[in-house]
Amino acid sequence: DAGVIQSPRHEVTEMGQEVTLRCKPISGHNSLFWYRQTMMRGLELLIYFNNNVPIDDSGMPEDRFSAKMPNASFSTLKIQPSEPRDSAVYFCASSLQGLASSPLHFGNGTRLTVT
Amino acid sequence: TQLLEQSPQFLSIQEGENLTVYCNSSSVFSSLQWYRQEPGEGPVLLVTVVTGGEVKKLKRLTFQFGDARKDSSLHITAAQPGDTGLYLCAGARANAGKSTFGDGTTLTVKP
Repeated sequence: DAGVIQSPRHEVTEMGQEVTLRCKPISGHNSLFWYRQTMMRGLELLIYFNNNVPIDDSGMPEDRFSAKMPNASFSTLKIQPSEPRDSAVYFCASSLQGLASSPLHFGNGTRLTVT
Repeated sequence: TQLLEQSPQFLSIQEGENLTVYCNSSSVFSSLQWYRQEPGEGPVLLVTVVTGGEVKKLKRLTFQFGDARKDSSLHITAAQPGDTGLYLCAGARANAGKSTFGDGTTLTVKP
């Protein structure tokens, strides 16, 4: 049973470039979450979707960040233009129901380095 | 804003020792989850507790939810190197679509 799949695993880019992170949630899960993890700030929720609809994007740090979920099996997180302070591990997670008590299933993350 | 504080931030012990880590808040949660994260991987759910005073056991791990549902603890008996990792708690309020994560406790168990 495939878990949450994220790509790429590692991304190194130069400041000012566009970065697109991809996520395939577990089939049948109807909630999808994007998190960012750093040593300084821990695990931060950026945005989450229920049934492909963005519900809360209050965690998105700036307008440079955008996320889409065109269908139930795919989501993207885009940073344009990227900055060095965006360097972090970005996780995608999915859950079966749109409740916070539902278990979150995380992917293995994308480690982003912006130089 | 919900705030979950985890302590200690770092813990390094020898194999075979017992340990307890804590997750505290001034807010009441309808449910609380514990996750373990290993290097290079995403967090993996260990347990969900929903009832005040609830105790759940998972092999050598014992989880307790406070009576007031504001805090939780994780006790590990006879720790093993395989227990090494980042332990995260996450709390949610009733009918909330998202949960809030604590900053985690990094546990190192030395053989």
